[in-house]
Amino acid sequence: KAGVTQTPRYLIKTRGQQVTLSCSPISGHRSVSWYQQTPGQGLQFLFEYFSETQRNKGNFPGRFSGRQFSNSRSEMNVSTLELGDSALYLCASSLVTSGGQETQYFGPGTRLLVL
Amino acid sequence: SQQGEEDPQALSIQEGENATMNCSYKTSINNLQWYRQNSGRGLVHLILIRSNEREKHSGRLRVTLDTSKKSSSLLITASRAADTASYFCATASHSQGAQKLVFGQGTRLTINP
Repeated sequence: KAGVTQTPRYLIKTRGQQVTLSCSPISGHRSVSWYQQTPGQGLQFLFEYFSETQRNKGNFPGRFSGRQFSNSRSEMNVSTLELGDSALYLCASSLVTSGGQETQYFGPGTRLLVL
Repeated sequence: SQQGEEDPQALSIQEGENATMNCSYKTSINNLQWYRQNSGRGLVHLILIRSNEREKHSGRLRVTLDTSKKSSSLLITASRAADTASYFCATASHSQGAQKLVFGQGTRLTINP
């Protein structure tokens, strides 16, 4: 099976712009989670989508949003970019079972630089 | 917020030696997972240990979990240069949302040839 793919891999934006990142999960995985990684804050959970519904959300401002499509592909959007949004954005997919003990498989990430 | 505290923050050893990394966490968990990350790339899943398990092995990896101490350790035996990477522990719990992983700050491991 193909792994989790993320596009684009690299992105440069300027403050005030908005950006959309895309994630295609492993085939058959219905849960997609997003994480932000920065040197200062480490890896932080943004949100998780399952069956097109946001199930869980981290402590990020409303400028960060996401959605999931019927084919489980997900996008996240950041509006009004700030310098501090520069980070590696990681997407992870998992196969949800009733046991709740699923491994999350990560994509290569999108590195966003805000100037 | 980071749940896990990893120790040490950095570790440098000679090829062939064993490397041990520790992780402590604060809340009750369903499982704890270890990931490896090479230089700003994606995370590679190494091993998942459930809260009712005490030890798990996968190849050269050995993970232990002590829920009474809220701690875990990752042992890499017979290290290789290719093991050079950052290693993260991550916890999952129903109270956090089953798919929400809370990561530690990571241990940067360097294997010297």
